[in-house]
Amino acid sequence: GAVVSQHPSRVICKSGTSVKIECRSLDFQATTMFWYRQFPKQSLMLMATSNEGSKATYEQGVEKDKFLINHASLTLSTLTVTSAHPEDSSFYICSAKDPDTEAFFGQGTRLTVV
Amino acid sequence: AQSVTQPDIHITVSEGASLELRCNYSYGATPYLFWYVQSPGQGLQLLLKYFSGDTLVQGIKGFEAEFKRSQSSFNLRKPSVHWSDAAEYFCAVGSANQAGTALIFGKGTTLSVSS
Repeated sequence: GAVVSQHPSRVICKSGTSVKIECRSLDFQATTMFWYRQFPKQSLMLMATSNEGSKATYEQGVEKDKFLINHASLTLSTLTVTSAHPEDSSFYICSAKDPDTEAFFGQGTRLTVV
Repeated sequence: AQSVTQPDIHITVSEGASLELRCNYSYGATPYLFWYVQSPGQGLQLLLKYFSGDTLVQGIKGFEAEFKRSQSSFNLRKPSVHWSDAAEYFCAVGSANQAGTALIFGKGTTLSVSS
């Protein structure tokens, strides 16, 4: 299957700082990328959907000014958690797809805000 | 409303015994159905998927699932569980007709394997 690379796998940051997470499709062009958040022992909750070259569509309750999503190319989307606080600590997972395939998932990023 | 229900939060199975994890979905469009497995702190690994055709699909690691449209179910089965199968299992549904639609996940079932 196709490969989606997510980086970093783990990050610890201080409260008030910003953190950027990258999601790359390595061997296909991802017209659509999705960002999910997973709290401990819970399911994946969709945060936003981004289409290349367009503004992301955020799910209800997700602050778009706090979780900045950029999908500037067909192989890269970034999620920036701005002014992070401890309650933002979570596991973030991206997935990427082209129109003809199912979505492929990255390995996730464990964010810890201290 | 579109949703995925995994009725069992936690299941414990003896090693070598058979396994069935339940999944029911509610989806307005023609569904694509998936089962993923997640080990602690790891991402998702696709076990199998159903798009169309034969309703019994084979996946990796000896898993299979059967799509039953009349019951809106997509249960995951394995005839003989191994200790390494202990993990979190997620059922998910997506749209067959809308390429840009995200998957909807169930809450997951934690599988423990006893010796």
